[in-house]
Amino acid sequence: AAGVIQSPRHLIKEKRETATLKCYPIPRHDTVYWYQQGPGQDPQFLISFYEKMQSDKGSIPDRFSAQQFSDYHSELNMSSLELGDSALYFCASSSSGGRYSGNTIYFGEGSWLTVV
Amino acid sequence: AQSVTQPDIHITVSEGASLELRCNYSYGATPYLFWYVQSPGQGLQLLLKYFSGDTLVQGIKGFEAEFKRSQSSFNLRKPSVHWSDAAEYFCAVVPGTDKLIFGTGTRLQVFP
Repeated sequence: AAGVIQSPRHLIKEKRETATLKCYPIPRHDTVYWYQQGPGQDPQFLISFYEKMQSDKGSIPDRFSAQQFSDYHSELNMSSLELGDSALYFCASSSSGGRYSGNTIYFGEGSWLTVV
Repeated sequence: AQSVTQPDIHITVSEGASLELRCNYSYGATPYLFWYVQSPGQGLQLLLKYFSGDTLVQGIKGFEAEFKRSQSSFNLRKPSVHWSDAAEYFCAVVPGTDKLIFGTGTRLQVFP
């Protein structure tokens, strides 16, 4: 079965550069979530989209932005990168219908971002 | 504020021993409850989930979890641990919104 696809899997950027992560949700899933997991930390919710509209916002820095496109894939754009942005970035998807009702949230394998 | 607490940061067990990982949540109503496992350098895999009904939930890989409303707990158990179970385990809740809130995780180490 198709899973959540993230690209790239690994990315190395220098400070102050820009990075873009892509996420392709499971087909027919209408909700996409982005999480950031720092070294030794639990995943922290960044932002989510339902039917291409932002549905919730967590601890996402102002330097970061995200959007969901007409084909439901999503991109997380990170600018003015800092060393502290080095983390594993997860995308997840579900078929929430706009209001969570217990559907499983499936995670991709993550994109490793290293800022040097 | 809603929160998830995993009191044990690190647990070490011998292969074949039983396992219980603790999870407590703080929320006014019964949230949706989950356990995810993360192997080193890997993504998050769902082990099991609880929404309602039977408070003992069976998951994959021989894991089960029991929801206890009176204790606000959702502890994960396995009767006999295998070396391949060594990983980080995250308890998570969806407290009524549509996003997962994770606990801080418990790292499981298995000795032969």
